[in-house]
Amino acid sequence: EPEVTQTPSHQVTQMGQEVILRCVPISNHLYFYWYRQILGQKVEFLVSFYNNEISEKSEIFDDQFSVERPDGSNFTLKIRSTKLEDSAMYFCASSTDRSTGTQYFGPGTRLTVL
Amino acid sequence: GQNIDQPTEMTATEGAIVQINCTYQTSGFNGLFWYQQHAGEAPTFLSYNVLDGLEEKGRFSSFLSRSKGYSYLLLKELQMKDSASYLCAVLTGGGNKLTFGTGTQLKVEL
Repeated sequence: EPEVTQTPSHQVTQMGQEVILRCVPISNHLYFYWYRQILGQKVEFLVSFYNNEISEKSEIFDDQFSVERPDGSNFTLKIRSTKLEDSAMYFCASSTDRSTGTQYFGPGTRLTVL
Repeated sequence: GQNIDQPTEMTATEGAIVQINCTYQTSGFNGLFWYQQHAGEAPTFLSYNVLDGLEEKGRFSSFLSRSKGYSYLLLKELQMKDSASYLCAVLTGGGNKLTFGTGTQLKVEL
């Protein structure tokens, strides 16, 4: 069964450094998402992406965040200058359809900012 | 704003039936999802409701009442492996945003 994959599984970085989190969505999916989950808290929407454009972004997704689909398979989240409060599990998801499509989640990248 | 409420914790016995409730108040509604999440893992899809009524899928069923802003997830024949967090999430907006509740931690005991 096709699944969303993410790399790395764990990333440790120093405050102020840039990180890039990578995702390979399910191959026939057209809509891509990033969510994050701070330890012990709920899953929060960051951004949705379709046709090489951001469809919607949350208040969390400020200027330090960016997303890109650099080729036909990868979808990346870049955090330009990490802060301590960016420490969280970051989940990538993808779906086939915007209005009714189930979003399937990858295993996540645990980001720790020191 | 978006508000999704579900109980924080529930405990049930192996073999029993448990119902996890979710109420929501959101601006816009494109459907309601239930996900299962084991600790340290990704949410995995369980069920989807967009019309009122009951959707059944093996041991899991989900119900939706849009007029009441209410859903429940019913788990039958509970197994120890069902111990997990169950997340209620509402789909809204043109960007297909999922807004999650805080999750209900279900503990299945012998």
